[in-house]
Amino acid sequence: DIQMTQSPASLSASLEEIVTITCKASQGIDDYLSWYQQKPGKSPQLLIYDATSLADGVPSRFSGSRSGTQYSLKISRPQVDDSGIYYCLQSYSTPFTFGSGTKLEIK
Amino acid sequence: VQLVESGGGLVQPGKSLKLSCSASGFTFSSYGMHWIRQAPGKGLDWVAYISSSSGTVYADAVKGRFTISRDNAKNTLYLQLNSLKSEDTAIYYCATGAHWGQGVMVTVSS
Repeated sequence: DIQMTQSPASLSASLEEIVTITCKASQGIDDYLSWYQQKPGKSPQLLIYDATSLADGVPSRFSGSRSGTQYSLKISRPQVDDSGIYYCLQSYSTPFTFGSGTKLEIK
Repeated sequence: VQLVESGGGLVQPGKSLKLSCSASGFTFSSYGMHWIRQAPGKGLDWVAYISSSSGTVYADAVKGRFTISRDNAKNTLYLQLNSLKSEDTAIYYCATGAHWGQGVMVTVSS
């Protein structure tokens, strides 16, 4: 099974910062990597698919990238509404696996 | 796109339950579908996938106990949960990947 090691587990950032969340895959996943945002009591929302493609309706301050087997989600000049829990998901091979999540607080 | 799960509830260990997911707003028969669950206060846990041609794959934790299926005529996805364990307690979501339902709670307890 492919393991997705997500970090950090939590972080707090200000409105002026650049936020970066990473997921390292235990093996190559050919960019079959998605990022989701989940707010309390709500279902997850797709932000990024295929590692770098922005989902419909998602603000351009969100972006995805890859370096080797490490994937990153960047939020430039985050808004308070970006607070929530972020998960990565690899869909390269079954069983599909999620990262453990990053709890983000924007102050 | 709308996905609406139903069929959750409180069930005793060892018993069965069948979840449904009614889909609308897209060509259901053309899409692979997932069931994903989230235990209270925990992260997301992929459960099962069914392709548009009805090929299926399962997480090891549910293999042999859960069955995913679909009825394209009814635009409905199913998850049959058998031999339920307390660790199956979770919100169960159906999803295309891009779109998720609101989830349905399954509680396994005596």
